[in-house]
This record gives sequence, structure tokens and C-alpha cells, in this order.
Amino acid sequence: NAGVTQTPKFRILKIGQSMTLQCTQDMNHNYMYWYRQDPGMGLKLIYYSVGAGITDKGEVPNGYNVSRSTTEDFPLRLELAAPSQTSVYFCASSNPGLTASPLHFGNGTRLTVT
Amino acid sequence: DQQVKQNSPSLSVQEGRISILNCDYTNSMFDYFLWYKKYPAEGPTFLISISSIKDKNEDGRFTVFLNKSAKHLSLHIVPSQPGDSAVYFCAASGGSGTYKYIFGTGTRLKVLA
Repeated sequence: NAGVTQTPKFRILKIGQSMTLQCTQDMNHNYMYWYRQDPGMGLKLIYYSVGAGITDKGEVPNGYNVSRSTTEDFPLRLELAAPSQTSVYFCASSNPGLTASPLHFGNGTRLTVT
Repeated sequence: DQQVKQNSPSLSVQEGRISILNCDYTNSMFDYFLWYKKYPAEGPTFLISISSIKDKNEDGRFTVFLNKSAKHLSLHIVPSQPGDSAVYFCAASGGSGTYKYIFGTGTRLKVLA
């Protein structure tokens, strides 16, 4: 039972490069999220999706793009990497029904932009 | 504007004693609150939640208390164990129906043996 899987675990990018952080979940959850965690800070919501084909901005969306073509996958795209995007990125999923439900997190991708 | 605040960056407690972690929020529309535990190099792990229709929820050694009038929640861990040493995040959602979760900045708990 894999849960939420993120790849890669680590990545170093040069300024201006682009990359896609992959996230997949096998729990058939409708909701998926991308958060970033900077040192000593909490988790900030970048983008989220309430189902395939539907995405919306979170607290800190600038510099990122997402797509949700399937229930399982929610990739996060960085087009022009900047040092301010150095962070640990967490993907999460949940399946709220009539009430909210907890988020299930992956183990993160540590990204360094130099 | 920080809607969810954890004002204590760190806390040290003796093994066997009670750990109390606090969290304040500003948005009165929040109606669901969660606590997560995070070890280094791992993703956050769900601990316990509470909805706004309750003021207390217990799960084993963990109890969450919600004071809606004060916009305050706390997590009690009794008894504290060395394995509880981690960073604890509170999170809140609600109001928009889209289940966006806003997290606090975390409290690092150290349980001393």
C-alpha cells in the first residue's frame, strides 16, 4: 500500500531551469495538494485540486503550474527556477465526503536552486 | 496574514509528564482542525482532528481541545515519550467548502528521557 509517492527525493537546479515534481496516489482520493516548507516555517499551500481537470491556487502559487489529468497524478511544474523556490515540497491527498478528512502526505522532494 | 499561529517554536518536557502544544487561529469560518507530527526527512503524519461541533477529542495518549470563543486549540500528550520528539503542526480548514488546509509554523517538541 504505497499511499502518496513523490519523485524525485532530491534535485538541484540551476537558476532558469525547469522541472516537474511528480506526485501519484493510489487511494483513489479526489483532492490533491502541493505544499512547500521553508526552513523554520510551516507548510504553505501552492496549488490544490478537487478532482481531475480542476485546479486552483493556494497561498503561494507564483512561479508554479499544475495539471490534473487523472485522479492519481498531480504534477507540479517549475518553469523558470529561482533561488526563492529552494524548499521542501510535499504532495498530499484526501477524500472528504460530507465532512472534511485528514491529508495524507508523501515524503517530500528537497529542491535546491543555485 | 498568518491565519493559523503556533507561537511557541519549541518545547522541552520530561518523559512521563504532560506535553501541551498550543495553536491560535484568526478565521472564524474554520470548522475542522488537525494536528500533524513530522520527523526529519519524512512527510507529516496525521495525529488527531476535531470538528467545530466538539470541544474535545481523545485518541489514546493524545487529546485535542478546541475553544471556539478564544479561537484556540491545544494538543495534550500524556504521558510524553521520547518517541514523541518531533515537530508538531496544527492545521485548519473550512468556510469555502473546498477543504483548503492552512498550517501553522510548527512547534518542535523534545521529550527528555
